[in-house]
Amino acid sequence: AQSVTQLDSQVPVFEEAPVELRCNYSSSVSVYLFWYVQYPNQGLQLLLKYLSGSTLVKGINGFEAEFNKSQTSFHLRKPSVHISDTAEYFCAVSAPSEGGGNKLTFGTGTQLKVEL
Amino acid sequence: DAGVTQSPTHLIKTRGQQVTLRCSPISGHKSVSWYQQVLGQGPQFIFQYYEKEERGRGNFPDRFSARQFPNYSSELNVNALLLGDSALYLCASSLDSGGLTQYFGPGTRLTVL
Repeated sequence: AQSVTQLDSQVPVFEEAPVELRCNYSSSVSVYLFWYVQYPNQGLQLLLKYLSGSTLVKGINGFEAEFNKSQTSFHLRKPSVHISDTAEYFCAVSAPSEGGGNKLTFGTGTQLKVEL
Repeated sequence: DAGVTQSPTHLIKTRGQQVTLRCSPISGHKSVSWYQQVLGQGPQFIFQYYEKEERGRGNFPDRFSARQFPNYSSELNVNALLLGDSALYLCASSLDSGGLTQYFGPGTRLTVL
């Protein structure tokens, strides 16, 4: 079975400071990892994904994440945050479902609050 | 290009009623998945469909059902609504049968009174 742990439920940070949102996963099969962002009263927007290849993945809005197999982690980072980055961030792992598709298992989310 | 669209945006029902939620995938995408997001939690997988066939089912009761149409749009039905069914229902589409990379719509907010 697959699971995702997001260690911080809330992360406050000042504008222009760096930020890291932590994600650890557990998976018994090949690992495909995703970060999504959810702004208030909206759906999820894909930030970045790791399917294979380079362990450093770059996404939209200046975010990047590093896949670390030995530590089973996929932490999200941004070198300088902006007020507009205030949102809920979800880490997810993809797993095969019984019918041949893939389902996403999400963590509980990290609320990033950027302050002036 | 239009993204995933869902209707309605908001819905209020009473316990015991039935509800139908609709989803149109991104043009060219053939796989649709449904997720339930209860307030303060991450989304939970309900169903995945590809080419009108069910490709996966999450741990939800039989009150939940879905189908996919020839144009790849999809409906999620929930019967005998309970207060605990109040949630944001998210639809996601993906290009292929594996449904690996999923793109989400804005969701339908269901409130059960």
